[in-house]
Amino acid sequence: GESVGLHLPTLSVQEGDNSIINCAYSNSASDYFIWYKQESGKGPQFIIDIRSNMDKRQGQRVTVLLNKTVKHLSLQIAATQPGDSAVYFCAEGYNQGGKLIFGQGTELSVKP
Amino acid sequence: DAGVIQSPRHEVTEMGQEVTLRCKPISGHDYLFWYRQTMMRGLELLIYFNNNVPIDDSGMPEDRFSAKMPNASFSTLKIQPSEPRDSAVYFCASSLAFNLGNTIYFGEGSWLTVV
Repeated sequence: GESVGLHLPTLSVQEGDNSIINCAYSNSASDYFIWYKQESGKGPQFIIDIRSNMDKRQGQRVTVLLNKTVKHLSLQIAATQPGDSAVYFCAEGYNQGGKLIFGQGTELSVKP
Repeated sequence: DAGVIQSPRHEVTEMGQEVTLRCKPISGHDYLFWYRQTMMRGLELLIYFNNNVPIDDSGMPEDRFSAKMPNASFSTLKIQPSEPRDSAVYFCASSLAFNLGNTIYFGEGSWLTVV
């Protein structure tokens, strides 16, 4: 039979605008969370991570927010650029061993 | 550092054939992971090794899949016999340790098509 592909959620933004990508995680016992960026034809690339005892962490043009009450993670990208166009995955894991579980991903499209 | 190196980058094979995917982790990394990515299921962890020893293979789909790590610088993922539903991108990844602050680095992937 014919398989139906899964369509990723898509976020389309204008160059220079801020982007917010959201992720709901499943396990309240997860110790840390990571955002990865995957460009077409490449492997996932680390962006930023955050411990479960933190609410916010900032990197270069990126900020990750963690809301443990509702098990929600977000990635904010400031002044989005065309080079930011990619699929973004959140992942959750346990410190000191265990699996890193990836979310389904969000496709970010930046319009020049 | 050259990063995680995978081969082949692309492979097209006929159903029933054996497929072997290869991985060279980053030197000094104690953890090695094999992931599979499809549109339907996203990124799935198949198996991971610590110091060449398989720790968790619960993600391996079935007995047709096997993975080995004979030494710290080489791992293989084998599918025998291959089936069309095995078509996917297979990623190898490695990390220095498995905790916060030790990033998991991914290779560029092996794109497998089984016809």
